[in-house]
Amino acid sequence: KAGVTQTPRYLIKTRGQQVTLSCSPISGHRSVSWYQQTPGQGLQFLFEYFSETQRNKGNFPGRFSGRQFSNSRSEMNVSTLELGDSALYLCASSPGDRTDTQYFGPGTRLTVL
Amino acid sequence: GQQLNQSPQSMFIQEGEDVSMNCTSSSIFNTWLWYKQEPGEGPVLLIALYKAGELTSNGRLTAQFGITRKDSFLNISASIPSDVGIYFCAGGLYNNNDMRFGAGTRLTVKP
Repeated sequence: KAGVTQTPRYLIKTRGQQVTLSCSPISGHRSVSWYQQTPGQGLQFLFEYFSETQRNKGNFPGRFSGRQFSNSRSEMNVSTLELGDSALYLCASSPGDRTDTQYFGPGTRLTVL
Repeated sequence: GQQLNQSPQSMFIQEGEDVSMNCTSSSIFNTWLWYKQEPGEGPVLLIALYKAGELTSNGRLTAQFGITRKDSFLNISASIPSDVGIYFCAGGLYNNNDMRFGAGTRLTVKP
């Protein structure tokens, strides 16, 4: 089975712009979670989607949003980018019954200038 | 939310040595997971634990789910240079899709 894929792998944006990141889960997985990873804060949970519905949300401002499509692919969007949004954004998929067993993609490295 | 305390933060060891790292929490979890992350890549799942007291091995790696459900440890035996990376623990609850991660243990193995 192919693993979790994320596109793009690298992205450079400027403050105030918006960005959309994409994640394709492992075939058959219905849950997709998004995380932000920074050296200072570690892995921080953003949100989780299951069957096109957001099931859980972390403590991030409303500038961070996401959605999931009927084929389980997910996108996350960050609007009005800030310098502090520079991070590795990781997507993880799981079958959905037990989202604890999560498999991560390679991440999208976002740099905000 | 609850935080996980992972220690040590970093380790510098000689090839062939055994390694031990652990995670503790102030709250109980139903699941403990251990991941390894290499530069430029996402974390890779190493071991998943679902029952208190469970001891599971994956090659030279062994992890245990603490009896109190508030801790877990990971051992690596006879380390090799390719063990280099950052090891993360993660705790989760059934029906709660918000996994909590430790800050990671950075492992360096000297040949």
